Parts: sequence; C-alpha cells; structure tokens
Amino acid sequence: GAGVSQSPSNKVTEKGKDVELRCDPISGHTALYWYRQSLGQGLEFLIYFQGNSAPDKSGLPSDRFSAERTGGSVSTLTIQRTQQEDSAVYLCASSFGTGLSPLHFGNGTRLTVT
Amino acid sequence: GQQLNQSPQSMFIQEGEDVSMNCTSSSIFNTWLWYKQDPGEGPVLLIALYKAGELTSNGRLTAQFGITRKDSFLNISASIPSDVGIYFCAGQLRNDMRFGAGTRLTVKP
Repeated sequence: GAGVSQSPSNKVTEKGKDVELRCDPISGHTALYWYRQSLGQGLEFLIYFQGNSAPDKSGLPSDRFSAERTGGSVSTLTIQRTQQEDSAVYLCASSFGTGLSPLHFGNGTRLTVT
Repeated sequence: GQQLNQSPQSMFIQEGEDVSMNCTSSSIFNTWLWYKQDPGEGPVLLIALYKAGELTSNGRLTAQFGITRKDSFLNISASIPSDVGIYFCAGQLRNDMRFGAGTRLTVKP
C-alpha cells in the first residue's frame, strides 16, 4: 500500500482481556518495528523484525507482550491479560532495512484499558 | 528505552519567530533523523542526515549532523501556526533506531 496501515485505530478493552493489534507495512519494506507511546511521552521501542531473521524482542516490557510477522509482511502485536498501564498509542513503522533507510510510521492504535 | 537527550521539552513561541531544538547522545549514530508528529497521527519524517557535519535544508527547516556523530540540531525559521506539533529526533545505527523524548512546539498567532 501507499503507507503503513494499522488497525484498529482505537481499541477499548477491559482489564484482563487479550488484544491484537495489526500492522500492514509498506510493500517491499523488509524491516518492521513496533513502538509504544504513552500520553505525552516519546517512543518506546518494543520489537523489531528484519526479513526472516529472529526478531529483536529486547524492548518488550513483559511476557504478556508478543508479536508475530507472517510471510515477512503483516505483523500482529498481542497483549495478553491487559493492564491499565498498557494504555498507550502503539505505533508500527517499516523501512527497507538497509541501515540507512528511515522509518515510515502508521497512525497508530490507541489502546485504552478500563 | 530512550538514549537520546532532546531539548527543550517544550517551546511556546510567537508566529514568525525562529525555533531551535537539539539532540545529544552518548553513542555514535550513522544517521540522524527528525520527525514531526501531529495529534492522532504517526511521526512523519522531516529531514534525514547521513554524514557527520552534513547540513540539510527542507524549506524553512534546517538540520545538522554533528561532527562527533553524537548530536544534531533542527532549526525552523519564520514559524507558522501549522508548525505546531511534537518534534522527535532519532539516531540510527544499522537497524537500531533510538528516539528522543520529543519537543512540543506551540505557536501563538
């Protein structure tokens, strides 16, 4: 597609429920990143996928967070047993993965845990 | 977590004024980038810098890649109301991308 697409744009869930957030990267981009942005804060790195390599999961805050990337394209970020502190905007970005290629961001999914 | 120190945290300026913000790091980066984020949207790339000492302009925006590769600044000249938003610096080393905490810019007409 023309840009990075994320869905849903907004998600309200009850504490303790699981949620799945989806990211469609730009066609041809091999690198995919997930970031979390709490209200009024900067971008917190969560996880990075590059081609078929093992993902860099070093930013995931707990084992309730996981992500997959199927077929080197679409990615799903799953948060299990959501907590109120998980409320944030979750941003996905993709790039050509050359090390010099800048990231292109989606508009994010705003997650609210009540 | 974030490893870049971005300042100032926020700025309140009058329309027409110039703006300057900067980012410093304890680590070397190969690329410095500046993004702008409008409410409800993802960050959008403004300027990318690929060489130490590089000075690049994009309209009213000017950014420089510090000679030590550990810092960068962004200047906005003759600010206008639509410059309002949050500006993020980012340092990139291979595929490791780190962001500053952002500078929130408010422009008063």
